[in-house]
Amino acid sequence: GAVVSQHPSRVICKSGTSVKIECRSLDFQATTMFWYRQFPKKSLMLMATSNEGSKATYEQGVEKDKFLINHASLTLSTLTVTSAHPEDSSFYICSASLFAGGYRSYNEQFFGPGTRLTVL
Amino acid sequence: DAKTTQPTSMDCAEGRAANLPCNHSTISGNEYVYWYRQIHSQGPQYIIHGLKNNETNEMASLIITEDRKSSTLILPHATLRDTAVYYCIVGGKLIFGQGTELSVKP
Repeated sequence: GAVVSQHPSRVICKSGTSVKIECRSLDFQATTMFWYRQFPKKSLMLMATSNEGSKATYEQGVEKDKFLINHASLTLSTLTVTSAHPEDSSFYICSASLFAGGYRSYNEQFFGPGTRLTVL
Repeated sequence: DAKTTQPTSMDCAEGRAANLPCNHSTISGNEYVYWYRQIHSQGPQYIIHGLKNNETNEMASLIITEDRKSSTLILPHATLRDTAVYYCIVGGKLIFGQGTELSVKP
């Protein structure tokens, strides 16, 4: 099946620094990528949807200036957590879809292994 | 996108079938039902999806009621490695609910 990778798998940073997380589709071209955040013992929360070459669509309550998303190619999307604070510590997961949008059609997503961010 | 309701947790004996129910009474006619699972500290794994007909693959079977208001995921012979949180999702935008925490016990 399709493989999605994330880098890094774990990152620890100081408060106030910025952290970039990469999401790559390794064997297919992903027209749409999604970013999720997951707190301990909680479900995944969709943060934003990004389509290659266009601006990301953020879910309500997610600060677009805080979480910068770039989807420059069909195989790479990046999430940058700017000026990270301890409350940003979380498990960040990306997924990639073979189909663009299509909210009313079959839309199989392939998930990356996740990135655990710890902000000290 | 339609909302789903799942039991919070379930237990299953190793080797037995695990039947995980999901209610999605507000599903629209062209919305798919997806099942994913997440093993602790990993990304979600796709299991199966369906629209109207029952589906089966190497991992599981999906039974969708005729009115499409509910479905059941069946793991025919559960193993300890099937212990995970199982998410039933409806619609094209994968909005995760709380899922069902399945514990397979020896």
